[in-house]
Amino acid sequence: GNSVTQMEGPVTLSEEAFLTINCTYTATGYPSLFWYVQYPGEGLQLLLKATKADDKGSNKGFEATYRKETTSFHLEKGSVQVSDSAVYFCALYGSSNTGKLIFGQGTTLQVKP
Amino acid sequence: GAVVSQHPSWVICKSGTSVKIECRSLDFQATTMFWYRQFPKQSLMLMATSNEGSKATHEQGVEKDKFLINHASLTLSTLTVTSAHPEDSSFYICSAITRTGENIQYFGAGTRLSVL
Repeated sequence: GNSVTQMEGPVTLSEEAFLTINCTYTATGYPSLFWYVQYPGEGLQLLLKATKADDKGSNKGFEATYRKETTSFHLEKGSVQVSDSAVYFCALYGSSNTGKLIFGQGTTLQVKP
Repeated sequence: GAVVSQHPSWVICKSGTSVKIECRSLDFQATTMFWYRQFPKQSLMLMATSNEGSKATHEQGVEKDKFLINHASLTLSTLTVTSAHPEDSSFYICSAITRTGENIQYFGAGTRLSVL
C-alpha cells in the first residue's frame, strides 16, 4: 500500500542555517505529493505541492522536488528563521484513494536565534 | 480563499457527556470532508470520510456509533463524540476538499477536547 516516511526529529538549527527534511514514499502509479506545516496548537496549512515527476513546489522560501527515480520529496530552505519552528508533514495523494491523504509521521523543526 | 473554520477550538466536558464539533468551509463548497485525530507529538490519524448527503465512512477501528458524523450540507460537517471518556481527550482536526478536483485538503485549526 501507499506510505510516507520522514526523517525523525526534532531537527534543531540556528537561524539562517540550511534546512533539509527528508521524505520518501511508496506508491503505485503517480501520486501527488504535499508538504504541510503545523504551528503549535493549530491545524495544518498547505506549504507546497507537486503533482508530477520533476515538478518543483515552492512557497515562502521552501522548496521540494518530486523525484520519481528516488521516490523522494525532500523539503529544503536556504535560510531558516525562528518563525519557521513548527511540525512539518509530508503527504501523498494516490490516484487509487478517494481523496485520502497518506501522512508521514511529522518532523519537528526548532530554530534557535 | 479555501478557508475551513472549526468550532469550538477548545472544549472541556465531563465524562459521559456528548460533544459536537463543527467544521465549515467558508468560501467554497466541499464535496468531501475528513475528520482526523492527533495525539501529542504524533501524526494525524484519519477517523472518517464524510460526503454530503450520504453516510460517513469510518476507518477500521473507529466506532461509528461513538464518533457520529453528519454532513448535512456542502459547507458543514459535524463530529459528535458521544458519551465521552477521558481516553477520548485529543486534538481533532477536520479538512475539506473543494469541488474543483484539485485534490488539496484544506484544514481547520483543530479542536482540543479534554474530558474530565
